[in-house]
Amino acid sequence: AQRVTQPEKLLSVFKGAPVELKCNYSYSGSPELFWYVQYSRQRLQLLLRHISRESIKGFTADLNKGETSFHLKKPFAQEEDSAMYYCAQPYYHFQGAQKLVFGQGTRLTINP
Amino acid sequence: GAGVSQSPSNKVTEKGKDVELRCDPISGHTALYWYRQRLGQGLEFLIYFQGNSAPDKSGLPSDRFSAERTGESVSTLTIQRTQQEDSAVYLCASSPPPWNTEAFFGQGTRLTVV
Repeated sequence: AQRVTQPEKLLSVFKGAPVELKCNYSYSGSPELFWYVQYSRQRLQLLLRHISRESIKGFTADLNKGETSFHLKKPFAQEEDSAMYYCAQPYYHFQGAQKLVFGQGTRLTINP
Repeated sequence: GAGVSQSPSNKVTEKGKDVELRCDPISGHTALYWYRQRLGQGLEFLIYFQGNSAPDKSGLPSDRFSAERTGESVSTLTIQRTQQEDSAVYLCASSPPPWNTEAFFGQGTRLTVV
């Protein structure tokens, strides 16, 4: 079965320190991977997607096919980065449609 | 344009009662998901609709849970004989064709069973 694994439920780092949120995927058939973020009292929203190769709010994520990973990184964490982060991957469902599968999420806390 | 809309925003119900939660997806989005998010926990997949195809119900936790969607429009999630462990935020998301990859989430319905 298609799985997206985020091994850390909780991650706490100090402001200004580097942060890395881990994500591993099992389905090699899709080149697309996403990171979603949920800030306190806000709706879940897309942070970045692999295919765009962009940096959003200082975050980047590199696809490593050898390790089947898509870890999210930021060199210098800020307090406003505290949030719940989800990794997601679409996989072929049927009739050309794809279904998004989410990891269990990592709650990131940035300490002052 | 309007995003995914869910109603009600909050619902308090007595144990044993039935509740109905509503999701209005973004117009034109063919895929629709329901998730449950318990306090401080991650997303728990419930059900997935794709156009007029049979829904993927593999995440529904019990037969007390059911969902319907007519075509590519509104969806309702029904929980019968609610239990206290059903208390959670229920999230709906929709995705556009053709690849249905990016999901747009609603603000959620906070359900409290007392």
